[in-house]
Amino acid sequence: GAVVSQHPSRVICKSGTSVKIECRSLDFQATTMFWYRQFPKQSLMLMATSNEGSKATYEQGVEKDKFLINHASLTLSTLTVTSAHPEDSSFYICSATDRDTEAFFGQGTRLTVV
Amino acid sequence: AQSVSQHNHHVILSEAASLELGCNYSYGGTVNLFWYVQYPGQHLQLLLKYFSGDPLVKGIKGFEAEFIKSKFSFNLRKPSVQWSDTAEYFCAVSRLGGYNKLIFGAGTRLAVHP
Repeated sequence: GAVVSQHPSRVICKSGTSVKIECRSLDFQATTMFWYRQFPKQSLMLMATSNEGSKATYEQGVEKDKFLINHASLTLSTLTVTSAHPEDSSFYICSATDRDTEAFFGQGTRLTVV
Repeated sequence: AQSVSQHNHHVILSEAASLELGCNYSYGGTVNLFWYVQYPGQHLQLLLKYFSGDPLVKGIKGFEAEFIKSKFSFNLRKPSVQWSDTAEYFCAVSRLGGYNKLIFGAGTRLAVHP
C-alpha cells in the first residue's frame, strides 16, 4: 500500500514552545489530509481536514489558532501545536487520501509537553 | 451523541479460536463502514470496508464483516485466529462518503496466545 510518513515520531518540548509535525505522502498525491488525536486507551478523534491549497476545516472544539495546519503541497501537510501545554500531550496521527481513494495513515507522533 | 461503539476493549483468545468483534454506530442515513488494524509498532491499516452492495464483505488475512443496517452493526469476524492477529482493531464510520471524516470506535485490543 501507499506510504504516509510522519516526522518526528516522538517529541518532547517545554511548555510554551511550539512544535511542528510533518505528514508526507511518499508515493502518491494527497489531495486531502486528516489530522487525528488519540488519548490513551481512547479512540482517534478527528481534529481537522485539510485540502491542498486551501484552509483547513476544524472539528468543533478544536482551536484553530492553537493547532495550525498547513497543506501547501500535494505531498506535505504540517500540524503546528503553538504555545504547547502539558494538556496538549497526546498521540497525533495523520492520514492522507487522493480523491476518495483509500486513506493511508502515518505512524503517529507522540508529543510530550513538560 | 453520535458515536461508534466497540463492545470489547480487550479480547484474549487461543490460536484457532473464532473471533467476533462487535461494532455499532448511532448514525442514521447512508454510512461507509471500515475496520482498521494496528499491529504493534505499525501504522493503522485497512482490513476491509463497506460502501454499498453485498453486506458481507471480505477483507485481508481472512477477516470478514457483516453490515446489518437494521441493527446499525458492522461486526468483524474471523473463523480461526492466529498468533499474528494480535493487534488493536478499530471500527470506523464515515457519513460524508469515501474516507472523509472517519469517526472511530475506541478500539479492541486482541491478544492471541499460541
